[in-house]
Amino acid sequence: GDSVTQMEGPVTLSEEAFLTINCTYTATGYPSLFWYVQYPGEGLQLLLKATKADDKGSNKGFEATYRKETTSFHLEKGSVQVSDSAVYFCALSDRSTYGNKLVFGAGTILRVKS
Amino acid sequence: GAGVSQSPRYKVTKRGQDVALRCDPISGHVSLYWYRQALGQGPEFLTYFNYEAQQDKSGLPNDRFSAERPEGSISTLTIQRTEQRDSAMYRCASQSGTSGQETQYFGPGTRLLVL
Repeated sequence: GDSVTQMEGPVTLSEEAFLTINCTYTATGYPSLFWYVQYPGEGLQLLLKATKADDKGSNKGFEATYRKETTSFHLEKGSVQVSDSAVYFCALSDRSTYGNKLVFGAGTILRVKS
Repeated sequence: GAGVSQSPRYKVTKRGQDVALRCDPISGHVSLYWYRQALGQGPEFLTYFNYEAQQDKSGLPNDRFSAERPEGSISTLTIQRTEQRDSAMYRCASQSGTSGQETQYFGPGTRLLVL
């Protein structure tokens, strides 16, 4: 079945450092790809998404490009802030059955130090 | 409503008891999903509703788990004869339509602890 693999954390960075969190996927067909974020004490919220190959999703300074040739959707940010500390989940929509259930990676903890 | 709501937010129960977890989706949303998230892991799919029809229950781990959405709005996930391994965060999400390109909006989750 479909699956998502993302880099293990925790990732610890200093403020204003460059961030990359790797995400690769295995899927039949052409899923939509998502990054969700969970801030401390809060629920999951969508950070960005891309629905077809070569699309770039962006939000709050974060970007990710849907790369079909490498089956990847890496998350990047040029300059992280302490407030970006959270758990980041990469996910794809599995359209092989009824509905569009999301298949998530295990999550990557990001810690940003001031 | 503002977003997806779930209740209770925390539930502590004894092994063998039944529990019912409630999800109130965004008004008008057609699709409703239930996920379970173990500590340190990503959410895993349990079941999916299109209006009141349960169209996919392939993720329910065994027959102690059931879910309903009788009027196509509020949904209840029921776990009978709870076991310690059922302890997890249970998350509900709703989506306005049925397209895979749409965003799923998650509720705050219910943290279940089975003693």
